Amino acid sequence: IQLTQSPSLLSASVGDRVTLSCKGSQNINNYLAWYQQKLGEAPKLLIYNTNSLQTGIPSRFSGSGSGTDYTLTISSLQPEDVATYFCYQYNNGWTFGGGTKLELK
Amino acid sequence: QVQLKESGPGLVQPSETLSLTCTVSGFSLTSYSVSWVRQPSGKGPEWMGRMWYDGDTAYNSALKSRLSISRDTSKNQVFLKMNSLQTDDTGTYYCTRARDYFDYWGQGVMVTVSS
Repeated sequence: IQLTQSPSLLSASVGDRVTLSCKGSQNINNYLAWYQQKLGEAPKLLIYNTNSLQTGIPSRFSGSGSGTDYTLTISSLQPEDVATYFCYQYNNGWTFGGGTKLELK
Repeated sequence: QVQLKESGPGLVQPSETLSLTCTVSGFSLTSYSVSWVRQPSGKGPEWMGRMWYDGDTAYNSALKSRLSISRDTSKNQVFLKMNSLQTDDTGTYYCTRARDYFDYWGQGVMVTVSS
């Protein structure tokens, strides 16, 4: 299964509601996770099984979707959210999307 | 607490073999799987292969002919060996604790393939 993330680059302001998209080439059956990667760091798990928040992750992060289309939403963007975000599917094999780089406007 | 740490050479000659070790703590290799994931600079991660908790292995089909993953449960270590390295194998290599998703990651080790 191939994953396509959009946009590849997103500029937003502090306090904005931000939506990142991930589309699969086949049905993912909700076996989708989201990772945040800051510069020079390992990826960090945010969301698993489409909408389950990993322990310790702020509640401004949420996930949704079904079938082939999934979304990560940040309800109120904070400066520390500047990072690249990857989606990842584990329904059929294990593959990552190409990433969305989120920057401050 | 759960920790994973990769170790190995930072520089490998083209056509040579890469050997990496992942040392884990805070969980048992017979209860959790461990995967290797690599990431070229500026690109998305790529799943390489997996050591299942029962000792079975799974490999990315694109790497399967060059890749081998093994473990020593008495030392809490998982090993990666990949042969015939080329310049496009350059990147950061991570080991991760693997449920279906990867919940804990090592800090990564940067591997450069160059003569």
